[in-house]
Amino acid sequence: DVKVTQSSRYLVKRTGEKVFLECVQDMDHENMFWYRQDPGLGLRLIYFSYDVKMKEKGDIPEGYSVSREKKERFSLILESASTNQTSMYLCASRKKMNTEAFFGQGTRLTVV
Amino acid sequence: GQQLNQSPQSMFIQEGEDVSMNCTSSSIFNTWLWYKQDPGEGPVLLIALYKAGELTSNGRLTAQFGITRKDSFLNISASIPSDVGIYFCAGYPTNAGGTSYGKLTFGQGTILTVHP
Repeated sequence: DVKVTQSSRYLVKRTGEKVFLECVQDMDHENMFWYRQDPGLGLRLIYFSYDVKMKEKGDIPEGYSVSREKKERFSLILESASTNQTSMYLCASRKKMNTEAFFGQGTRLTVV
Repeated sequence: GQQLNQSPQSMFIQEGEDVSMNCTSSSIFNTWLWYKQDPGEGPVLLIALYKAGELTSNGRLTAQFGITRKDSFLNISASIPSDVGIYFCAGYPTNAGGTSYGKLTFGQGTILTVHP
């Protein structure tokens, strides 16, 4: 079975802090994604990566950056956390384009 | 960005009833996926559809890829309490030339509540 693991289930951070959300997958998938989930808005794509060191902006990249130094790990970075970034963050991976994506359990981030 | 229109937004049903939800888009999709999310967890894939007109079942779940490639629906028969959760449609939109962007796009979700 594919396993996508996010480093934290819950995080509380202060406004202005630099925040790292980590995601690791164990199935040698090329593509990885970061989404945020807010009530009534579904899942919105922040960034995705087709392969190591490759990244592309999604629909809402402002205030975020990403890092993919190794194939199995995709990190989401909040350079200076703000209260409007309080949300559920979901990481996903897939083998190749147009196939199903597998999700981690999510990280619920609260910025105070 | 591209957004799928999923309806209904929420459903409150009695155990044993059938459920139907759908997704529409103004763009052509070449793949449709249906996910379920339990509270506090990440979404889990239920059904994947890859061809227009395809009808696929997974236990009490049935999903179809619309002929126009712009819609899909999910049916749940004889609902049970553990069907509670949020159901998402998702897919890969294509451009005018039929090439997929590769960006997995989600609907807003349908919140399902099942009363025993």
